[in-house]
Amino acid sequence: DARVTQTPRDKVTEMGQEVTMRCQPILGHNTVFWYRQTMMQGLELLAYFRNRAPLDDSGMPKDRFSAEMPDATLATLKIQPSEPRDSAVYFCASGPGTDNQPQHFGDGTRLSIL
Amino acid sequence: AQSVTQLDSQVPVFEEAPVELRCNYSSSVSVYLFWYVQYPNQGLQLLLKYLSGSTLVKGINGFEAEFNKSQTSFHLRKPSVHISDTAEYFCAVSDQGNSGYSTLTFGKGTMLLVSP
Repeated sequence: DARVTQTPRDKVTEMGQEVTMRCQPILGHNTVFWYRQTMMQGLELLAYFRNRAPLDDSGMPKDRFSAEMPDATLATLKIQPSEPRDSAVYFCASGPGTDNQPQHFGDGTRLSIL
Repeated sequence: AQSVTQLDSQVPVFEEAPVELRCNYSSSVSVYLFWYVQYPNQGLQLLLKYLSGSTLVKGINGFEAEFNKSQTSFHLRKPSVHISDTAEYFCAVSDQGNSGYSTLTFGKGTMLLVSP
């Protein structure tokens, strides 16, 4: 059964450190999404890619967050420098790129910034 | 842009009782609708989807949802819940993102708490 794979599952680090989260989308999916989930805000769309090109990253704080897709099998989300308010669960999802097909989610990276 | 309202943040229910989780969306144009479930420490999994055709959609784990265009609703139901159904449930609607490509707009989620 094809799955979206995210690493690491958990990350604890100190404020100011760089954090890199990785995502391997399902083979053949051409659309990748990054979400952040918190108790207060729920699920927020941070950025998404189609055929590795960034389409929209308006949900992301630009000064410290960056998202890239170096190749079709890897998407990354970086935070530099990290802050305590970035503590959340970050999900990656991939999809085949058509309106009527669902997104498939990874199990997330639980990030804690001390 | 679309919006999705899940009126209940938490729904407590006893095992084997029926349950309905409510979802309303904002647009009256044709949309695609989805319900996802999130178990603790896991990502979201698709429960069911409405694309077109029959307004009653059946999903996994005995769940079903009914699309009501006039009320812009897509409520999720199960006639008899199990302890294992305890999870957070998210309603989502397809939307046009800023890029013009399709994204999903999610509701805030409803926590279903099933007790013995």
